[in-house]
Amino acid sequence: DQQVKQNSPSLSVQEGRISILNCDYTNSMFDYFLWYKKYPAEGPTFLISISSIKDKNEDGRFTVFLNKSAKHLSLHIVPSQPGDSAVYFCAARRVYGGSQGNLIFGKGTKLSVKP
Amino acid sequence: SQTIHQWPATLVQPVGSPLSLECTVEGTSNPNLYWYRQAAGRGLQLLFYSVGIGQISSEVPQNLSASRPQDRQFILSSKKLLLSDSGFYLCAWSVLRSEAFFGQGTRLTVV
Repeated sequence: DQQVKQNSPSLSVQEGRISILNCDYTNSMFDYFLWYKKYPAEGPTFLISISSIKDKNEDGRFTVFLNKSAKHLSLHIVPSQPGDSAVYFCAARRVYGGSQGNLIFGKGTKLSVKP
Repeated sequence: SQTIHQWPATLVQPVGSPLSLECTVEGTSNPNLYWYRQAAGRGLQLLFYSVGIGQISSEVPQNLSASRPQDRQFILSSKKLLLSDSGFYLCAWSVLRSEAFFGQGTRLTVV
């Protein structure tokens, strides 16, 4: 049973345009959400996060939106750059309530930004 | 600053051979430690996590085991590798309520 779902395995966008990566989750106990970026043969690197008490978090070109009622979050990258081409993983954890807060990952979306 | 070291970077092992992957963390105390595996088309699967020395929890039944002999050392092992153990193995650490930080990974190919 997949608790974190990234239904689009790949996405291709033109340089300068907006990239929107989507993620859905099923566990209503998740209260912290993260996006990671991964290049081939490297470990994922943390990109941006959002707490469930917020609906938006922005960091430069990256913005994460959270819709708790829909159990949906998205990562917006604008403007997209060729260096953004990578696999993006959505992750969720339960921070409060006695859990050790393991991260549960989606399967990832491969973003290709074309010049 | 905190750093995480994972080795080796690549490994080719025959079926039935043992495995030992090591991960160490510097610059933090009592971290949560994790082993993940990335298999083709399956995202990042949590294999083991540890909240302290000698405390190991397994997320999925498998041919692998983990140990934490020291606070900042996490070891992934197998007595006899299977072909299905091939994949990209990632060690990570976090403190509670923070993001996790990953090592560079080990590409294991079982032949």
